Amino acid sequence: QVQLQESGPGLVKPSQTLSLTCTVSGGSISSGGYYWSWIRQHPGKGLEWIGYIYYSGSTYYNPSLKSRVTISVDTSKNQFSLKLSSVTAADTAVYYCAREGGSYHEFDYWGQGTLVTVSS
Amino acid sequence: DIQMTQSPSSLSASVGDRVTITCQASQDISNYLNWYQQKPGKAPKLLIYDASNLETGVPSRFSGSGSGTDFTFTISSLQPEDIATYYCQQYDNLPFFGGGTKVEIK
Repeated sequence: QVQLQESGPGLVKPSQTLSLTCTVSGGSISSGGYYWSWIRQHPGKGLEWIGYIYYSGSTYYNPSLKSRVTISVDTSKNQFSLKLSSVTAADTAVYYCAREGGSYHEFDYWGQGTLVTVSS
Repeated sequence: DIQMTQSPSSLSASVGDRVTITCQASQDISNYLNWYQQKPGKAPKLLIYDASNLETGVPSRFSGSGSGTDFTFTISSLQPEDIATYYCQQYDNLPFFGGGTKVEIK
């Protein structure tokens, strides 16, 4: 059973960089076949796909966030990470990591989510 | 970018009712349409993939249909534990979610 767990600071100051890590267990990122994703949800709002990474390091980002997002992978630790720069209060959200990779690009495994608040 | 229009944004129905949610894509996405259930404080859960395929372990009262631009998600007999927000998700080069439908008990 694949499990994903987000970790990182719950509070980030405006203009700083938000950094989160997702640790994967029960499966290896380097085995391929899946995209490892970040998705966020503003309080009381819908789901927003941020981007994803393949084990090889290929990345794809939401065009609306692309200029501020970096997703990286560390296959030795079976982890992937999100960096979002120049954050504002509008980046306050629950951040989820998830696995995407079925034939129909469904997100089949999710982390529990972590709330990140942007505030001074 | 493809736009996904999900409707209604909320609905209220009685236990045992048939509930239908629709998602419309702004252009043909074939069958690249998935449905999720999200309960308060929890991560979304995949229910339907490939527009109509039930994920393993998901009750058969949930179903999906459609292809191209018009898709439907149905709960054949609403149960109290189905209270949640439901999202469609499309894939056309990149994945995007619909706005969600909050389902409540009348």
